[in-house]
Amino acid sequence: AQKVTQAQTEISVVEKEDVTLDCVYETRDTTYYLFWYKQPPSGELVFLIRRNSFDEQNEISGRYSWNFQKSTSSFNFTITASQVVDSAVYFCALSEKNTNAGKSTFGDGTTLTVKP
Amino acid sequence: ETGVTQTPRHLVMGMTNKKSLKCEQHLGHNAMYWYKQSAKKPLELMFVYNFKEQTENNSVPSRFSPECPNSSHLFLHLHTLQPEDSALYLCASSQDFRVRAFFGQGTRLTVV
Repeated sequence: AQKVTQAQTEISVVEKEDVTLDCVYETRDTTYYLFWYKQPPSGELVFLIRRNSFDEQNEISGRYSWNFQKSTSSFNFTITASQVVDSAVYFCALSEKNTNAGKSTFGDGTTLTVKP
Repeated sequence: ETGVTQTPRHLVMGMTNKKSLKCEQHLGHNAMYWYKQSAKKPLELMFVYNFKEQTENNSVPSRFSPECPNSSHLFLHLHTLQPEDSALYLCASSQDFRVRAFFGQGTRLTVV
């Protein structure tokens, strides 16, 4: 069975602070995909990144960066110099290889509040 | 704007009502999904459709009845719901096993 744990339920930071959202996963599969989604108040899940289990390279996209550590089954997400617009619920998700891309196991989500 | 449109955005219904949620995508995707997002709970996958055929039903009560008339449209028919069914219902679509799913903005359902 797959499981995704986002231990941080809520995080509050002040604008321009860096913040890291933790994600720990469990799976018996050797090949899998990890995702991060952002859910603003409007409701839709906005795709941020997909990482293949064979690719442990860290990725940076603007103020966003992701640290994938297979040894600790973690896929953490860091926002540098946070902004008020980053306030949202962030979900980490896991899916098996060769399964529908939309069939994922989601974590409970972390609500990030960035205060001005 | 992800290309997946859900209507209505908000719905209030009584426990004896019958209503339907609609999801539409024109991205050419062949898979569509319904997810339920309740307060304080993770997203729960309800149904998966591939090429209009239901391939997954995650023990969803029969008061939720999905319908997929074609690859572009997905419905969720609701009848005799309970207050605990109040949630955000998200639709998503994807193409085969490719990169990721695209989500709609959801329908916020309140059962009174």
